[in-house]
Amino acid sequence: DAGITQSPRHKVTETGTPVTLRCHQTENHRYMYWYRQDPGHGLRLIHYSYGVKDTDKGEVSDGYSVSRSKTEDFLLTLESATSSQTSVYFCAISALPGLPEGTEAFFGQGTRLTVV
Amino acid sequence: QKEVEQDPGPLSVPEGAIVSLNCTYSNSAFQYFMWYRQYSRKGPELLMYTYSSGNKEDGRFTAQVDKSSKYISLFIRDSQPSDSATYLCAMSVGSSASKIIFGSGTRLSIRP
Repeated sequence: DAGITQSPRHKVTETGTPVTLRCHQTENHRYMYWYRQDPGHGLRLIHYSYGVKDTDKGEVSDGYSVSRSKTEDFLLTLESATSSQTSVYFCAISALPGLPEGTEAFFGQGTRLTVV
Repeated sequence: QKEVEQDPGPLSVPEGAIVSLNCTYSNSAFQYFMWYRQYSRKGPELLMYTYSSGNKEDGRFTAQVDKSSKYISLFIRDSQPSDSATYLCAMSVGSSASKIIFGSGTRLSIRP
């Protein structure tokens, strides 16, 4: 995989607790993204970052916040976890040579989160 | 109605067959069209991308875009058991990541 590490890979947490997922890259790419993947919904963008301290919302951002204090790290926080946030979370970075900048191409292995 | 529609399958074909995977979309502003392959419990990996209409070939894979019909296809020739995976189409209006929309994915199985 193209220098992306997600941690943890699996987590079970209780409703109402805060949870932070970490994405670490070694590619020095400017853009980083958090997606969630659920059956029947494909990949849905939660938040993305276009530089250190520069972030923006995706289509399903409610209940999530992000931070990027260094180029290589992008954190996703579930402020108060709910059962509807049980999902597989993917981090992605861009881009391949020749693709327009901002088009994600490399995904991490995913974090499987269960909220009970 | 979803912006991108993709038949979830599953699709099962014998080894060596030609596979056709398709997506339809409703937003005529989409300009970039991509296909990702995802193996079980792995992250998606980019297979091919196409800008605007036309065909693109890479080995056994061919991507086609028909913007007039709002229809994209991925063809796999001489399919192999290692091609068994979920295939996701994705498309975007421009270079802004927030505009990239994924299909729900088609699960493909190649029988030896």
